[in-house]
Order: sequence, then structure tokens, then C-alpha cells
Amino acid sequence: DGGITQSPKYLFRKEGQNVTLSCEQNLNHDAMYWYRQDPGQGLRLIYYSQIVNDFQKGDIAEGYSVSREKKESFPLTVTSAQKNPTAFYLCASSIPLAGGTGEQFFGPGTRLTVL
Amino acid sequence: GESVGLHLPTLSVQEGDNSIINCAYSNSASDYFIWYKQESGKGPQFIIDIRSNMDKRQGQRVTVLLNKTVKHLSLQIAATQPGDSAVYFCAETNAGNNRKLIWGLGTSLAVNP
Repeated sequence: DGGITQSPKYLFRKEGQNVTLSCEQNLNHDAMYWYRQDPGQGLRLIYYSQIVNDFQKGDIAEGYSVSREKKESFPLTVTSAQKNPTAFYLCASSIPLAGGTGEQFFGPGTRLTVL
Repeated sequence: GESVGLHLPTLSVQEGDNSIINCAYSNSASDYFIWYKQESGKGPQFIIDIRSNMDKRQGQRVTVLLNKTVKHLSLQIAATQPGDSAVYFCAETNAGNNRKLIWGLGTSLAVNP
């Protein structure tokens, strides 16, 4: 089955620790995205990548870092510099931008809680 | 029942009624629009889309209407069912922004049995 997987589903961390959220897709999509969602809120773009070895900051990139070494993988690291990291994190991918419409396919999300 | 706006209002409807969820989009250059459904604790799922050269598009129990003059998008759900309870997001995109999606803030739909 083609799709996007995120792991883990729930993640707990202590203050001051870095943590990495996994996102893998087997849809052969070039573009991948990370969003943050707070309770009762919409989606805010953290980082996105249009192609391997390239990525751009979204609207709320501070305190986060990403890498895109492989087409199918786009891990997100939440660093200790992120002051309020407790949230629901969503990864998405889309078909090549030049020939696509922008429709994004989402993973199931990771809920991060800072203790 | 009907809701308006880019904030996160709650729309409450009775099972079997029709629902109308509204969205005001921001960019007159946007040429593609999508409605997503997000159930609690899950990622958003595609419902229906529409291109700017269309005014209306129908799916199974859902219809999207686009009014480019006033930059307004609506999602109509016929015979609303308890399984339709979710948050609904509209999103817009255009070629000029690398096809990044610009998201509305969502509307929470509650279906009363």
C-alpha cells in the first residue's frame, strides 16, 4: 500500500531534550512538508522540501530543523530552542510541484508532549 | 446549518440535515482549492477539490461552490451523518507560491443523532 507513515504516534520528552520525528513516504512524491497543529487550531507550516537535499523554512521554523537526504524521508527535529513544543505534528507530501495541483497527502501525525 | 469565516467556529447540525461550511480565501491568484476533513487525532483527508475555471463540483454527498468575485468557497454536505463529525479545512494554492497550500483555520462540524 502506498502512503505516508509517521512514528511514533505518541512521544514524550523532558524539557531541554532534542527529539526527532520520523516521516516516510512511498508515493514517489518530490515535495514533503511538516506542519504543527495546536488544539482547536489550524495547520502551521514549519518546513518544506521540494526536492532531495533542499528545504525551506515555513512560517514557524524557529526551534526546528530538518534534513532531506532521501526522497522518501523527511525527519523533523524539535530542538530545545523550541519553547512550546507540545503539539500535534503532521507530515505531508505532494506530487512534483511543476506538474501538480498542490494536493497534499497526510500521515497520521505524531503527538508530542513535553513533560 | 451554516458557518462563516477563517476562525474555528463550531457548526452543530441534526443527523439527516444538510450542512454548509464556508471559507473566505485570501489570494485572487489562487487557482486550485481543496477541502480536507480531519477527524480527531488523525491527519487531514482529501474530500473534494475545484479549479478556478469551475463554479461548482459535486462528489458523493458533497458539493463545493466557488465564487471568485467575492473570493468565497463553500462545502455542502447532504444528509449529514454522525461519521461526518470532524474539522473541515479549506486550502488554496497557486503556481506563483510553488503550490504551497494556504490553509483556512477550519470549522468543527458536530452532528447530533
